[in-house]
Amino acid sequence: ETGVTQSPTHLIKTRGQQVTLRCSSQSGHNTVSWYQQALGQGPQFIFQYYREEENGRGNFPPRFSGLQFPNYSSELNVNALELDDSALYLCASSSNSGGPYNEQFFGPGTRLTVL
Amino acid sequence: RKEVEQDPGPFNVPEGATVAFNCTYSNSASQSFFWYRQDCRKEPKLLMSVYSSGNEDGRFTAQLNRASQYISLLIRDSKLSDSATYLCVAHNNDMRFGAGTRLTVKP
Repeated sequence: ETGVTQSPTHLIKTRGQQVTLRCSSQSGHNTVSWYQQALGQGPQFIFQYYREEENGRGNFPPRFSGLQFPNYSSELNVNALELDDSALYLCASSSNSGGPYNEQFFGPGTRLTVL
Repeated sequence: RKEVEQDPGPFNVPEGATVAFNCTYSNSASQSFFWYRQDCRKEPKLLMSVYSSGNEDGRFTAQLNRASQYISLLIRDSKLSDSATYLCVAHNNDMRFGAGTRLTVKP
């Protein structure tokens, strides 16, 4: 196991509602990245947090927002849920050592269903 | 057009077969490349990094051709446990995943 945990494991919401997903990073890691994986697709990068600041964002609307806390855990918030938001949401933690790439370790994901 | 494209699959092969997956990426600024493995209903896990000189890890060989913006993964002597979806990744500031190719190894 990677040591990255996510909660909840499954969630069902209705269109228009808001949702908060949580991620605890692996011990010693200061960076958390969030991904959306629709059925049959690869993970799509949402954004990354490093030392409590957003450090890069993919092609997702502003209703996708996040936070990182001093202990490096993170939240993903999605407002005004749409049916197409139904997906597996993955977080990945890494240790930003300043190099070009730092291996990311994924959590088990939260499966969100929007009805 | 997606930034990372992979063979659509699925690949169904017998045990012991050799199978090759191909991947192309469109962002020439991509700096690092990887293959991830994802089992059904599980999270992706790093299989191997891909370097310009290519690299081998047991039965797995990865190649990178920067001029053609092409990455490959070769699996020799396939095992039942190799059954999974294989994701190609190009990294430049953030990770760009392909849609994945599903492999089923049959007895």
